Amino acid sequence: DQQVKQNSPSLSVQEGRISILNCDYTNSMFDYFLWYKKYPAEGPTFLISISSIKDKNEDGRFTVFLNKSAKHLSLHIVPSQPGDSAVYFCAASANNAGNMLTFGGGTRLMVKP
Amino acid sequence: EAQVTQNPRYLITVTGKKLTVTCSQNMNHEYMSWYRQDPGLGLRQIYYSMNVEVTDKGDVPEGYKVSRKEKRNFPLILESPSPNQTSLYFCASSLLWGQANYGYTFGSGTRLTVV
Repeated sequence: DQQVKQNSPSLSVQEGRISILNCDYTNSMFDYFLWYKKYPAEGPTFLISISSIKDKNEDGRFTVFLNKSAKHLSLHIVPSQPGDSAVYFCAASANNAGNMLTFGGGTRLMVKP
Repeated sequence: EAQVTQNPRYLITVTGKKLTVTCSQNMNHEYMSWYRQDPGLGLRQIYYSMNVEVTDKGDVPEGYKVSRKEKRNFPLILESPSPNQTSLYFCASSLLWGQANYGYTFGSGTRLTVV
């Protein structure tokens, strides 16, 4: 059973609007969460992360929100740009598992000009 | 340039013919790992290595072998490939074992097709 789930395989957004990508997890031992972005023919690249002691982390246009009680996190991109079009993976790690990453299935974001 | 290099980028092979996918990193990272990416399943870990001569199974190790004889290299070996191993493979490295919060550096991927 997948411990990290991204229930939306794809998302289409107009340029300049907000993109919201969602991720749910089941393992309560996860204490660190990351988002990776992947362009075609390239490997995933680290985007932003958040520790379980926080509920929000912001880096420029990207903000990650964590709701521990709901075991839910989301990535907000404001404003969305065509260059943001990519597959986004949510990942989680647990300190007691050596901080190995467990990935979600990914969400393909398409930002239309 | 700091990077993880995988070869080949694309490979088509036949069932049962042994193959090796190479992975090399130039960042002196201790931790290296192999993932496969399949539609809807995200990235699933195959094997990982915490340091030279230290390897362990990930979530989907069946049909794969690895070795870590030197710090920079972590090849993935398919002794007898089967069609269900058709996938996109990624090698990743991280500075230290237990330091996922630093993020992983991924290679560009190897698309393998087994017919």
